[in-house]
Amino acid sequence: ILNVEQSPQSLHVQEGDSTNFTCSFPSSNFYALHWYRWETAKSPEALFVMTLNGDEKKKGRISATLNTKEGYSYLYIKGSQPEDSATYLCASPRGSTLGRLYFGRGTQLTVWP
Amino acid sequence: DAGVIQSPRHEVTEMGQEVTLRCKPISGHDYLFWYRQTMMRGLELLIYFNNNVPIDDSGMPEDRFSAKMPNASFSTLKIQPSEPRDSAVYFCASQLETDTQYFGPGTRLTVL
Repeated sequence: ILNVEQSPQSLHVQEGDSTNFTCSFPSSNFYALHWYRWETAKSPEALFVMTLNGDEKKKGRISATLNTKEGYSYLYIKGSQPEDSATYLCASPRGSTLGRLYFGRGTQLTVWP
Repeated sequence: DAGVIQSPRHEVTEMGQEVTLRCKPISGHDYLFWYRQTMMRGLELLIYFNNNVPIDDSGMPEDRFSAKMPNASFSTLKIQPSEPRDSAVYFCASQLETDTQYFGPGTRLTVL
């Protein structure tokens, strides 16, 4: 993996379903992995910053795991609600430019009532 | 802190006019980023600054775009002359070292 990649590109689920999606990133010289939530007509908001292999973070019904050795992170949403509908972005710095985040294209989640 | 402040929130202008977007980062943050959101490219980095110095402007589409950061609390993104294909939402974000990046509310630009 050379870039930050996310899958699937979009996801439609019913209210109450649990869901998860994936972020893949270069595993060499890993520094940190960021997750953002981006609602339509708003700006991206930070969810988690993860740095350690095996890290797990939780915020309400949303949780994330990190595997730095194989270069992936999962975001889980338990019991999806319509208000969870948003694009979820992951990002990682790399190389000598640790200040800059390289963003994936995002997973667009739609939760139907 | 009020967060990252951008102005104007909406801008409608005619092709050929100069457009200036403004950003006030969070106090104490040493990085400032300008992004553009388009349907085709998603969130696209245009330029970023570290301690008021431009570090990478390779994302700036062409010479019509320029950005400045005269001090730690203010940055501008200028488009001159503007074209309809510049219509997009422009976000400014700031960050302290390698910590979380905080985004402003964005400026929705429409060029007629």
